[in-house]
Amino acid sequence: GQNIDQPTEMTATEGAIVQINCTYQTSGFNGLFWYQQHAGEAPTFLSYNVLDGLEEKGRFSSFLSRSKGYSYLLLKELQMKDSASYLCAVWDSNYQLIWGAGTKLIIKP
Amino acid sequence: NAGVTQTPKFRVLKTGQSMTLLCAQDMNHEYMYWYRQDPGMGLRLIHYSVGEGTTAKGEVPDGYNVSRLKKQNFLLGLESAAPSQTSVYFCASSSTTTSGGQETQYFGPGTRLLVL
Repeated sequence: GQNIDQPTEMTATEGAIVQINCTYQTSGFNGLFWYQQHAGEAPTFLSYNVLDGLEEKGRFSSFLSRSKGYSYLLLKELQMKDSASYLCAVWDSNYQLIWGAGTKLIIKP
Repeated sequence: NAGVTQTPKFRVLKTGQSMTLLCAQDMNHEYMYWYRQDPGMGLRLIHYSVGEGTTAKGEVPDGYNVSRLKKQNFLLGLESAAPSQTSVYFCASSSTTTSGGQETQYFGPGTRLLVL
């Protein structure tokens, strides 16, 4: 079966750095997405990785290792507004998006 | 651009009642999707459409029907609502690449449905 694993919840301090991991087992791979979802709102696109390596976009970076079936989202200089759920999703060989259950990130002052 | 919009935002149904959720997008996207999101679970695809007049089943299609009569609209119908269909429903849309693949999905604000 297809599976995406990410931690259920993480806590970090304002101003710090946090890394949210995602491991996947899917039938084929056409790319990996990270979305941010604030409570009661829609998911919004953060990043897309299809090749191995690190993609940096401001305070957020996303890393991919296809051989390990692994990705992480790195958030730097955490702000209170970063409190949200972070969803990992993988395009399988049929371009179906397989979603993880999301990681709830709690930022403390 | 309004992006992706959904109506209604919230609805309470009694078991056995029917309703239709409307999704509209103004980005001229070919692909449209209906997902449900339940606590502790990832988004699950109900039905999707790769173009006007075409629909296909996703991971959890039972109890739902869809129609895509116009490119900009994607309707999700519940013929006889059940308490197990209590969920948050999200619509999404995406464009296509020049090679026929899909682009990033953009989501509507969601519809919260409670079935009693």
